[in-house]
Amino acid sequence: KAGVTQTPRYLIKTRGQQVTLSCSPISGHRSVSWYQQTPGQGLQFLFEYFSETQRNKGNFPGRFSGRQFSNSRSEMNVSTLELGDSALYLCVSSLAGNPSTDTQYFGPGTRLTVL
Amino acid sequence: SQELEQSPQSLIVQEGKNLTINCTSSKTLYGLYWYKQKYGEGLIFLMMLQKGGEEKSHEKITAKLDEKKQQSSLHITASQPSHAGIYLCGARDTGRRALTFGSGTRLQVQP
Repeated sequence: KAGVTQTPRYLIKTRGQQVTLSCSPISGHRSVSWYQQTPGQGLQFLFEYFSETQRNKGNFPGRFSGRQFSNSRSEMNVSTLELGDSALYLCVSSLAGNPSTDTQYFGPGTRLTVL
Repeated sequence: SQELEQSPQSLIVQEGKNLTINCTSSKTLYGLYWYKQKYGEGLIFLMMLQKGGEEKSHEKITAKLDEKKQQSSLHITASQPSHAGIYLCGARDTGRRALTFGSGTRLQVQP
């Protein structure tokens, strides 16, 4: 069974631009979550999607948004990029999204650099 | 909100030595995860513990969740250079269906 895939793996953007990241979960998994990892803040939860609906949201500004398609693939979008958005963005795949019962599998990440 | 504290923050051991990493929570743990991360890469799932007193092993790595479910330990036996990396514990955030993470333990294994 294929693992979680994220594209692209690396991105370089400039301030003010927008970016879209993509995640394909493990086949059969319906929950996709997104996390941001930075050296200063560590891993922080962005949002979770289940069956095309955002079910959960972290404490990030509205510039961060996402969506999920009927095949469970998910995209996240960051508009009006800021230098502080430079980070590793990680996608997490699970069956139904309950961390207490469903194993959370991470993708390889997308490294975003904002200049 | 729940906080996870990992100790030590970094560790250097000689190949073949045993080591233990601890993860302590400010609240009861539900669904405690251990992951390994190579620098700049995604997290590799190691183990998930759910019940107090639970212990799981995979190859030379053993993780335990204590009875009171507020601390977990990760033990590596006969460490190898392939064990080097950052070990992260994660647990369900009590406020929502998401994971909150410790700051990580950086492990170096010297040949």
